[in-house]
Amino acid sequence: TQLLEQSPQFLSIQEGENLTVYCNSSSVFSSLQWYRQEPGEGPVLLVTVVTGGEVKKLKRLTFQFGDARKDSSLHITAAQPGDTGLYLCAGDDQGGKLIFGQGTELSVKP
Amino acid sequence: DAGVIQSPRHEVTEMGQEVTLRCKPISGHNSLFWYRQTMMRGLELLIYFNNNVPIDDSGMPEDRFSAKMPNASFSTLKIQPSEPRDSAVYFCASSKGFYNEQFFGPGTRLTVL
Repeated sequence: TQLLEQSPQFLSIQEGENLTVYCNSSSVFSSLQWYRQEPGEGPVLLVTVVTGGEVKKLKRLTFQFGDARKDSSLHITAAQPGDTGLYLCAGDDQGGKLIFGQGTELSVKP
Repeated sequence: DAGVIQSPRHEVTEMGQEVTLRCKPISGHNSLFWYRQTMMRGLELLIYFNNNVPIDDSGMPEDRFSAKMPNASFSTLKIQPSEPRDSAVYFCASSKGFYNEQFFGPGTRLTVL
């Protein structure tokens, strides 16, 4: 069974701080996606990374896919209260099905 | 444009009762997914359909769970009989093609007493 482990599970920081969320697995994924979920809503796709070593930037968010396509990270620079939410990584099991991590609950205090 | 629509948004029922969750995918999307989210297990894929045909139901936890997609604009997830451990948020998602971006509905929060 393929598993994705996210760390940390909870993160509470002050506005302006930087943070990194990690998503690790012993399995290889053909692609990896990052989602953000707000209370009472479904997850919304932020980015998909496909190539080992790939780095993608979305404003203050930087996403990286590990060289071996087994892990990924999400780095947020100068976090803002609007970044608060649940961040989920999801790997494509090479058959099109998504395997989700447990999520990182981020709280950014003003 | 309307996103994925799910109903009801909240459902509270007693153990042993039948529960039916409903989903209307985005028009033009031909793949539909049912997920369950709990604190313990996170977000899990239960079943998915492609062109109204169930492709993989290996994530359905037990025979008490069943899903149908009678047409391209409607799907149901039924639990009969329901148990307290079925309490979770159930999400429906759709995509235009199986490998493309999935769009999630707002979810149905199910509480089984």
